[in-house]
Amino acid sequence: KAGVTQTPRYLIKTRGQQVTLSCSPISGHRSVSWYQQTPGQGLQFLFEYFSETQRNKGNFPGRFSGRQFSNSRSEMNVSTLELGDSALYLCASSFPLAGAEDTQYFGPGTRLTVL
Amino acid sequence: AQSVAQPEDQVNVAEGNPLTVKCTYSVSGNPYLFWYVQYPNRGLQFLLKYITGDNLVKGSYGFEAEFNKSQTSFHLKKPSALVSDSALYFCAVIDNKLIFGAGTRLAVHP
Repeated sequence: KAGVTQTPRYLIKTRGQQVTLSCSPISGHRSVSWYQQTPGQGLQFLFEYFSETQRNKGNFPGRFSGRQFSNSRSEMNVSTLELGDSALYLCASSFPLAGAEDTQYFGPGTRLTVL
Repeated sequence: AQSVAQPEDQVNVAEGNPLTVKCTYSVSGNPYLFWYVQYPNRGLQFLLKYITGDNLVKGSYGFEAEFNKSQTSFHLKKPSALVSDSALYFCAVIDNKLIFGAGTRLAVHP
C-alpha cells in the first residue's frame, strides 16, 4: 500500500504571500491531520479532517486553514505568510476505528521557507 | 491536559549496547501512548503504541516499550543498538490529536 504523500516537498515563499500544501492519505484512510514542526516549538497540531469536516483544531491563527475532499485528499492553506511560518508541515492519515487509539501514519512533509 | 515529557535531549550509546529513551506521561483516564522516529529530512515513522493489555509492547525494527503505570512512564528500549538507529525519537499521547514530547536525539556510535 502506498504511504501518505505530500506535495510539494519543498517550497520557498516571501512574506505576505499565500501557500497551499497538499496531502494524499493512505488508500482507505478517511482522517487527515496536519502538524507543524519547528525547532523552537516542536510538533504542534494544526487541524484534523474526517469525511470532509474539520473535527479538531489546534491553537493557530485563522491564517491557517484547511479542507478535505470527497476522496479524502486534504489541502492546507496559509495566507499572509510570516517569517515564523517557516517549518516542516506534516500530514498524517488514519483509518478511524474506535477513535482514540487509531495510529496516525505520516507523510514525508513539506518544508516551507518564508523569506 | 494530557502531556508527555522526554527528559533527555540526547542519548549516546555504543553500537551493540542496549538503549533506553525515556518518556513520562501525565494523562487523565486511560493513556494511549505512541513512539515515533524521525530520520533527517523525513516524516515520522510509527514504531509502536500502548493501548491496553501487556505492559511490554513490541514494535518495529526490534524496538519495544515498557508501560509502567505506577511511574507514569513509557520508555523505549532496544536490546542491541545499531548505528542506523541514530535518529530523533518522539513520544506522544493521544488527546483527540497527537501531543508530542520535545524529542530525544539518539546517537549510536560505532
